[in-house]
Amino acid sequence: EAQVTQNPRYLITVTGKKLTVTCSQNMNHEYMSWYRQDPGLGLRQIYYSMNVEVTDKGDVPEGYKVSRKEKRNFPLILESPSPNQTSLYFCASSLQGAKNIQYFGAGTRLSVL
Amino acid sequence: GNSVTQMEGPVTLSEEAFLTINCTYTATGYPSLFWYVQYPGEGLQLLLKATKADDKGSNKGFEATYRKETTSFHLEKGSVQVSDSAVYFCALSEWSGTYKYIFGTGTRLKVLA
Repeated sequence: EAQVTQNPRYLITVTGKKLTVTCSQNMNHEYMSWYRQDPGLGLRQIYYSMNVEVTDKGDVPEGYKVSRKEKRNFPLILESPSPNQTSLYFCASSLQGAKNIQYFGAGTRLSVL
Repeated sequence: GNSVTQMEGPVTLSEEAFLTINCTYTATGYPSLFWYVQYPGEGLQLLLKATKADDKGSNKGFEATYRKETTSFHLEKGSVQVSDSAVYFCALSEWSGTYKYIFGTGTRLKVLA
């Protein structure tokens, strides 16, 4: 089954404790992206990757890191989480090209205390 | 820069009512346009798309027409069901050396039996 898998689904942590949210896709997609969803703000792009070893900032990259060492995986790293990073996070993937749809993971709800 | 504006929610309708959710966009070129739907506790999934002017996307009784002259992509359904209750996102994607998705803020639809 074609899917984007995020882990964990729920995470509660404390300020400053490094964490990683994993994302994996099995569709051989080149493009992968991370979004955060906040009430009244919709989805905002954090980082995206056009292919292996190619990543770039989205609209809200501050406080986040990513890496793309393999085509299928695109982890999101919070080196020192802060309460303003409490949000719902989505990973997505697609084929290259603006006409292609994105496939989303089920989301990771993060609370930073 | 590019942007997407969609109507504020929530929208509350009775079953079998007509639905319109407005979406307008700004873009420098010729974007592809999408509607995504998010059911409670899930990630976004594509509802329909249109990739050029005057294209009509349709799926599950929903329709939207790409109107370049009014820069709009309004979502419509003739008769909503309780199962249509969800959050609906309008989005665009455009290539300009790289490509990013831009999402609207989402419109929550609640359909009452």
